[in-house]
Amino acid sequence: KAGVTQTPRYLIKTRGQQVTLSCSPISGHRSVSWYQQTPGQGLQFLFEYFSETQRNKGNFPGRFSGRQFSNSRSEMNVSTLELGDSALYLCASSLFPRGSEKLFFGSGTQLSVL
Amino acid sequence: GENVEQHPSTLSVQEGDSAVIKCTYSDSASNYFPWYKQELGKGPQLIIDIRSNVGEKKDQRIAVTLNKTAKHFSLHITETQPEDSAVYFCAASMITGGGNKLTFGTGTQLKVEL
Repeated sequence: KAGVTQTPRYLIKTRGQQVTLSCSPISGHRSVSWYQQTPGQGLQFLFEYFSETQRNKGNFPGRFSGRQFSNSRSEMNVSTLELGDSALYLCASSLFPRGSEKLFFGSGTQLSVL
Repeated sequence: GENVEQHPSTLSVQEGDSAVIKCTYSDSASNYFPWYKQELGKGPQLIIDIRSNVGEKKDQRIAVTLNKTAKHFSLHITETQPEDSAVYFCAASMITGGGNKLTFGTGTQLKVEL
């Protein structure tokens, strides 16, 4: 069974640009979550989607947004990039409703903002 | 909101020794406590988890203990091997029908020396 797939693996952008990251969950998983990982702040929750609806949202500015498609694939978008947005962005998927607590992470997209 | 503290930040042990990592949480409503292992260049991998109605759980060389009264939980790795070297994260969340938002600890860099 294929794991969580995130593309692209690496991205380099400049301040002010926007970026879209993609995530394909494990087959059969309907919930997708996004996390930001930085050396200073650690792993922080961005948002969670289920059935194309955002169920939970973390404490990030409105520049961070996401969506989920009918096939459970998800994208997240960051607009007006800032240097501090440089991070590893991780996507995780889980089953719902049973076993929904077990998150399975992808390898992430490493975003560098110059 | 939930706050999770993790200690130590680095841990070095000899191969074959035991390793213990400790976490405390602040929200008494949290009822799910997973542990993740993250190797270089990869996303976090779930290694063991425990729910608040259980005091201890074991899986081969790995065990987790939970003290709800004191609001702390620990990861125990016995007979450590070089491949156990990685960063370990604890996390806490309150599982509801509305989804799962994990709050992570700051991580422990475990090094198993030959």
